[in-house]
Amino acid sequence: EAGVTQFPSHSVIEKGQTVTLRCDPISGHDNLYWYRRVMGKEIKFLLHFVKESKQDESGMPNNRFLAERTGGTYSTLKVQPAELEDSGVYFCASSQDPGQVASPLHFGNGTRLTVT
Amino acid sequence: AQSVTQLGSHVSVSEGALVLLRCNYSSSVPPYLFWYVQYPNQGLQLLLKYTSAATLVKGINGFEAEFKKSETSFHLTKPSAHMSDAAEYFCAVTPAGGTSYGKLTFGQGTILTVHP
Repeated sequence: EAGVTQFPSHSVIEKGQTVTLRCDPISGHDNLYWYRRVMGKEIKFLLHFVKESKQDESGMPNNRFLAERTGGTYSTLKVQPAELEDSGVYFCASSQDPGQVASPLHFGNGTRLTVT
Repeated sequence: AQSVTQLGSHVSVSEGALVLLRCNYSSSVPPYLFWYVQYPNQGLQLLLKYTSAATLVKGINGFEAEFKKSETSFHLTKPSAHMSDAAEYFCAVTPAGGTSYGKLTFGQGTILTVHP
């Protein structure tokens, strides 16, 4: 099966610009997660979709970040306007049933965002 | 609240030597614990998980970890390192009995270097 796909793999933008990251989960996975790793820090949870609904967005840093999952398939994460501290690697992950610990998270390769 | 501490951001071993990567957790409720590995330019891959069954957990690629409640630890070991084990390793925790095992709290990661 195809894995979780993220693009772009790298993005370099200037402070104040807008960037949109995309994630295509594994087909059939209703659950989609966004995580972020800021340089030198731990990977942190941003939010969790179940199909098209936001189940938990407690990790979203501020209102400059907007996540969507229209139709319950792929998801986008938009940062507008980007700030220097938004630089990092953004990971997407999907799973079939997060209520079952036997259902593992499948991670994408991440998008490395650099804000200059 | 939960937290994970990985002792040692960098660990270096010789090929064939024992690998020991340390992880200590803090959790107000019984946790489930995970080790993930990230190879260069790839996403995170699940190595193994503890879900309150056996305290000694075996994973892929010859890795294993032991859950020690008295020490709040979940250290990762491998008897004999291979060059292909060079990667970054992440310990993660989630509350047992939760509704979403996809919402993980990660440690800061340990980069393992294997010398010939």
